[in-house]
Amino acid sequence: GAVVSQHPSWVICKSGTSVKIECRSLDFQATTMFWYRQFPKQSLMLMATSNEGSKATYEQGVEKDKFLINHASLTLSTLTVTSAHPEDSSFYICSARMDRKGGGFREGPQHFGDGTRLSIL
Amino acid sequence: RKEVEQDPGPFNVPEGATVAFNCTYSNSASQSFFWYRQDCRKEPKLLMSVYSSGNEDGRFTAQLNRASQYISLLIRDSKLSDSATYLCVVSHLKAAGNKLTFGGGTRVLVKP
Repeated sequence: GAVVSQHPSWVICKSGTSVKIECRSLDFQATTMFWYRQFPKQSLMLMATSNEGSKATYEQGVEKDKFLINHASLTLSTLTVTSAHPEDSSFYICSARMDRKGGGFREGPQHFGDGTRLSIL
Repeated sequence: RKEVEQDPGPFNVPEGATVAFNCTYSNSASQSFFWYRQDCRKEPKLLMSVYSSGNEDGRFTAQLNRASQYISLLIRDSKLSDSATYLCVVSHLKAAGNKLTFGGGTRVLVKP
C-alpha cells in the first residue's frame, strides 16, 4: 500500500530553535500534502494544505511565517517551525494524497505519515 | 460547537462483548465519512469508509444517518487488540479540495 515517511519521529530542542520536519511519499506522487497538529487528548487539527510548486494554504489561526511549508517536489514536503517555543510542543502529522487528473479530476485517499513528536524545552 | 463531536469515553469493554458509539457532525454539506483508528502516540489509520447504505467489514459495522447527521461504529466480539482511539472523520468540499475534519476520538479499552 501507499507509504508516507515522516522524519524525524521525535525532536527535543531548546526554545528559539527552528525545527524542520520532512514528509515523503515513498511509492506514489503526492499532488497534495497536508500538515496536521495534535495536542494531547485533542483531535487532529489541519494546519495547512500544500500543492506541489505552489504556496501552501493555511487554516485560520495558523501563522504562515511561523510554520513555513515547502512542497518542492511531488514526493517531498517540509514543515519548518521557526523560533519554536514550548507552546509549539505537539504531535505533527503529515498526510499525502495523489489525485488523478486524466479522464476527469479525482481525489485519492489521504495516507498519513507516522508523525513527529516535538518537545520544546 | 465543534464540527465533529464524539464521546471521548473511555468505553471499557469486556473481551468478546459488543460496543457501539456515535459521532455527530454539524456541516450538512459533508460528503464523505470515515472511521480511523489511532493507537497511542501513533498516526491515524483508516479503518473504514462509511456509506449511506451502511457497511460492514468483518467485526466492524458502520452506519450513516444523514437526516440526524450522525455516524456510528459497532464492534462485535471485541478483541484486546481493538483497544485504541477511534476517530470520526468527515470530509467536505472546499476551494482547495476536500478537507478532512477529525473528531476528538472515542477511546475504547478492551479488557480480558
